Amino acid sequence: DTQMTQSPSTLSASVGDRVTITCRASQSVNRWLAWYQQKPGKAPKLLIYEASNLETGVSSRFSGSGSGTEFTLAISSLQSDDIATYYCQQYNDFWTFGQGTKVEIK
Amino acid sequence: QVTLKESGPVLVKPTETLTLTCTVSGLSLTNTRVGVGWIRQPPGKALEWLAHLFSEEEKEKSYITSLRNRLTISRDTSTGQVVLTMSNMEPGDTGTYYCVRVRDILEPFDSWGQGTLVTVSS
Repeated sequence: DTQMTQSPSTLSASVGDRVTITCRASQSVNRWLAWYQQKPGKAPKLLIYEASNLETGVSSRFSGSGSGTEFTLAISSLQSDDIATYYCQQYNDFWTFGQGTKVEIK
Repeated sequence: QVTLKESGPVLVKPTETLTLTCTVSGLSLTNTRVGVGWIRQPPGKALEWLAHLFSEEEKEKSYITSLRNRLTISRDTSTGQVVLTMSNMEPGDTGTYYCVRVRDILEPFDSWGQGTLVTVSS
């Protein structure tokens, strides 16, 4: 099974900051990597697929990069609406998720 | 527009079998490679894929290895529903259960149900 590890677990930043979240896979997942945003009490929302492709309707403040075993999600200018937990997910070998990164406003 | 909605019991007792139903709208389950899966999330914890299917053929169904002997997924194309059963429930199975559209094996989940919270307690 492919394990996904995210860092940090919690991130505190100010409105307008650029923030980055890292996701590492225990083995190569090529570019079969997605990022989701989950707000409290809601289902996850797909933000990025194939490591760097923005899902339709998602703000261009979000971007993804990486391949193989290391990936990054960036938010170019943090907004209050971005407060959520973010999960990476590999889909190279069925589907497994990272443990999540909670983003807070400082 | 695809919509998915989960339904099932709010509370189950330890050792009981959980039966959850996902009702799919805006998409015919008889279409080729239309899949539905189940994801769970314990309170405050991460997401975990449990199972999915593309048809009623066993080769078109897959389960997470750690729970393979407790899970069964099936579908009724006439009602547009996919059913997940999980046997021998225990408190650690408490969480929110989501159904998702599975477009294909090498695809993420672009459509999710709202989720249903299941508590396992005597």
